[in-house]
Amino acid sequence: TQLLEQSPQFLSIQEGENLTVYCNSSSVFSSLQWYRQEPGEGPVLLVTVVTGGEVKKLKRLTFQFGDARKDSSLHITAAQPGDTGLYLCAANAGGTSYGKLTFGQGTILTVHP
Amino acid sequence: SAVISQKPSRDICQRGTSLTIQCQVDSQVTMMFWYRQQPGQSLTLIATANQGSEATYESGFVIDKFPISRPNLTFSTLTVSNMSPEDSSIYLCSARGGQETQYFGPGTRLLVL
Repeated sequence: TQLLEQSPQFLSIQEGENLTVYCNSSSVFSSLQWYRQEPGEGPVLLVTVVTGGEVKKLKRLTFQFGDARKDSSLHITAAQPGDTGLYLCAANAGGTSYGKLTFGQGTILTVHP
Repeated sequence: SAVISQKPSRDICQRGTSLTIQCQVDSQVTMMFWYRQQPGQSLTLIATANQGSEATYESGFVIDKFPISRPNLTFSTLTVSNMSPEDSSIYLCSARGGQETQYFGPGTRLLVL
């Protein structure tokens, strides 16, 4: 079973601060996705990274896929209360597990005004 | 992207009964999946819903407890059978889109008394 270690599990910060969430594994993945989920809703896809070393930006969010495709990070600049939610990384192992996602434990982010 | 709807959105059931959850995708998709999520926690894959054949279950999940149907490329059902309070959870349907992406429904919140 491939495991994704996501950290930190909880993050409570003030508006305007920066933060980084990490997602690490000993396994190589064909792709990795980041989701954001709000209470009462399903996870919403933020980004998919496929290429080792890839960096993608979505407004104040920066996503990076490690060179070896074993780890990823999500960096939020100048966090806002609207960023509050559960952030999940999920990886696609490919091969015989094609299409199946393994999820990290999740990071509950709270941004205080 | 794919838009996914689920019915019911929530339910309260008595132990020993069964509940069938429906998942509808607004476009034809090759792969559909069912996940379970405890509130505030991450997602665990239950099974892959295969069109025209039996679902493929992950370790710890069996067909007798979670029978799944997938009669076509846009629809799937998950039944939670002979429910107990331990089955109280959020059940999520997902569909694989292009470019390694996966989209989720809003979830079905189940409480078993």
